Amino acid sequence: GEDVEQSLFLSVREGDSSVINCTYTDSSSTYLYWYKQEPGAGLQLLTYIFSNMDMKQDQRLTVLLNKKDKHLSLRIADTQTGDSAIYFCAGFNQAGTALIFGKGTTLSVSS
Amino acid sequence: NAGVTQTPKFQVLKTGQSMTLQCAQDMNHEYMSWYRQDPGMGLRLIHYSVGAGITDQGEVPNGYNVSRSTTEDFPLRLLSAAPSQTSVYFCASSSVGGGNEQFFGPGTRLTVL
Repeated sequence: GEDVEQSLFLSVREGDSSVINCTYTDSSSTYLYWYKQEPGAGLQLLTYIFSNMDMKQDQRLTVLLNKKDKHLSLRIADTQTGDSAIYFCAGFNQAGTALIFGKGTTLSVSS
Repeated sequence: NAGVTQTPKFQVLKTGQSMTLQCAQDMNHEYMSWYRQDPGMGLRLIHYSVGAGITDQGEVPNGYNVSRSTTEDFPLRLLSAAPSQTSVYFCASSSVGGGNEQFFGPGTRLTVL
């Protein structure tokens, strides 16, 4: 089945760029997703990329997808303290019926 | 729209007790799922449903039952609670097809003593 791996922690200074990486094993998911979870809250969809795309930009967010290496990354430009959260990458299972999540990357932004 | 609602927000159980976590959505979504979130483990899929009357097991189904008698509701039942089921539980829903956002409820924090 689908397996999604992420690094667990990332610490950056305010104003720097953050890059969160994710690798996955099953390439059948048509879309790949990035979710954000703020402390004590549920998950919120940040952005997603269609599997036929290499890159998607949405304001401060850039998603890069390397299908050959099964590698997905999320770049946050000009990182702010409000970006401190846990970030999850996710893809649908083979049947396309449920999302499979990575363990999440905790982003800590210091001023 | 209320989106995805979950009750209760917090619950403390004793080992062996049973309870039902409620989940409802008002977006007419076909897909509904239950996840548990544990520190360092991310979100793990417990059970999911692709429509009323249809459910299937996820990654960690043991100790949990689900049913889907209506499109709106997807309750999760703990038959005999164990300390290992202490976790935060999230319900989610989405419409059919890739690219559709999966909406999450606010979560239920469950402690089993």
